[in-house]
Amino acid sequence: GNSVTQMEGPVTLSEEAFLTINCTYTATGYPSLFWYVQYPGEGLQLLLKATKADDKGSNKGFEATYRKETTSFHLEKGSVQVSDSAVYFCALSDLMEYGNKLVFGAGTILRVKS
Amino acid sequence: ETGVTQTPRHLVMGMTNKKSLKCEQHLGHNAMYWYKQSAKKPLELMFVYSLEERVENNSVPSRFSPECPNSSHLFLHLHTLQPEDSALYLCASSQPGQQNTEAFFGQGTRLTVV
Repeated sequence: GNSVTQMEGPVTLSEEAFLTINCTYTATGYPSLFWYVQYPGEGLQLLLKATKADDKGSNKGFEATYRKETTSFHLEKGSVQVSDSAVYFCALSDLMEYGNKLVFGAGTILRVKS
Repeated sequence: ETGVTQTPRHLVMGMTNKKSLKCEQHLGHNAMYWYKQSAKKPLELMFVYSLEERVENNSVPSRFSPECPNSSHLFLHLHTLQPEDSALYLCASSQPGQQNTEAFFGQGTRLTVV
């Protein structure tokens, strides 16, 4: 079945550092890819998405490019802030008989220090 | 406002109690999901409902009983739980017929079983 693998955390960075969180996937067909963020005590929120190869999703300074050749969707941000501290989940859409459902990676904790 | 509302936000219950978690969405979506998020574990998909029919049940113990009376409401009925069932329970909804559709999550119910 389809699956998502994320780099293990926690990732600890200083404010204004560059962020990369790696995500690779295994899928048949051409799934859509997503990054979700979970702030402490909250549910998951969609951060960005890409629906086809070479698409770049972006939001709030975060970016990720759908790389079909390397089956990757790495999350990047040029300058992180303390407020970016959260858990980040990579996900893909998996086609089921009833429609699409999301398959999530294990999540990566990001801690940003001032 | 995510469009998906879960109540209660926090619940403490004894192992012999019976309680229910409620989820409501006003997004017009046809699919609703229950996820379990435990500390240091990946997000676990428990149940999927599509058009009020249960389409997935991922080996969840019978002490968890879902109910979907209509496409806007989803319940999770709990009885004779164990301490290891303590977790954050997340509800989500989506429109599964579209390839690029994302899921929208509620803020979760933090359940503690004592």
